[in-house]
Amino acid sequence: EPEVTQTPSHQVTQMGQEVILRCVPISNHLYFYWYRQILGQKVEFLVSFYNNEISEKSEIFDDQFSVERPDGSNFTLKIRSTKLEDSAMYFCASRGVSRYEQYFGPGTRLTVT
Amino acid sequence: AQRVTQPEKLLSVFKGAPVELKCNYSYSGSPELFWYVQYSRQRLQLLLRHISRESIKGFTADLNKGETSFHLKKPFAQEEDSAMYYCALGRGGADGLTFGKGTHLIIQP
Repeated sequence: EPEVTQTPSHQVTQMGQEVILRCVPISNHLYFYWYRQILGQKVEFLVSFYNNEISEKSEIFDDQFSVERPDGSNFTLKIRSTKLEDSAMYFCASRGVSRYEQYFGPGTRLTVT
Repeated sequence: AQRVTQPEKLLSVFKGAPVELKCNYSYSGSPELFWYVQYSRQRLQLLLRHISRESIKGFTADLNKGETSFHLKKPFAQEEDSAMYYCALGRGGADGLTFGKGTHLIIQP
């Protein structure tokens, strides 16, 4: 059964550095998403992407964040200048056209020191 | 704005006992509701969606629009049901899901 994959599984970075989190959605899906979960808190929506553009973004998704689908398979989340409060688990998800449910990747744990 | 409330942070029941995980939502439109499960160290997995009205692993959930609830139920809990359970609301299209805070279900032997 196809799955969403994410790399790396754990990323440690220093405050102020740029990070890129990578995701490979399920191949025939057209909607892509990023979520984050700060330790002990709920899963929060960041951004959705469809037809090569952002469809919706939350208040969390400020100018420090950007997303890209650089080729036919990858979907990336970039944080330009990381802050301590960006430390969280970041989940990628994808969705097909005819079904409403989203399928999640295993997550990338980002630790900002 | 939409909101999902899961009032129980932790729920502990004995094996064989019935389980009910509560979920209430607030949304002015017509919601899509889901239950996701996260077993230890694994990804979020879709358990149920309200539009399919199916039973997965013995779990069922009925959307009650009058009470704005989507409670998850299982008549006889099994030890392998121990996990984090998240209720989520979708608004359709490309919109993101709104999650509740989750309920940690522990099934005691």
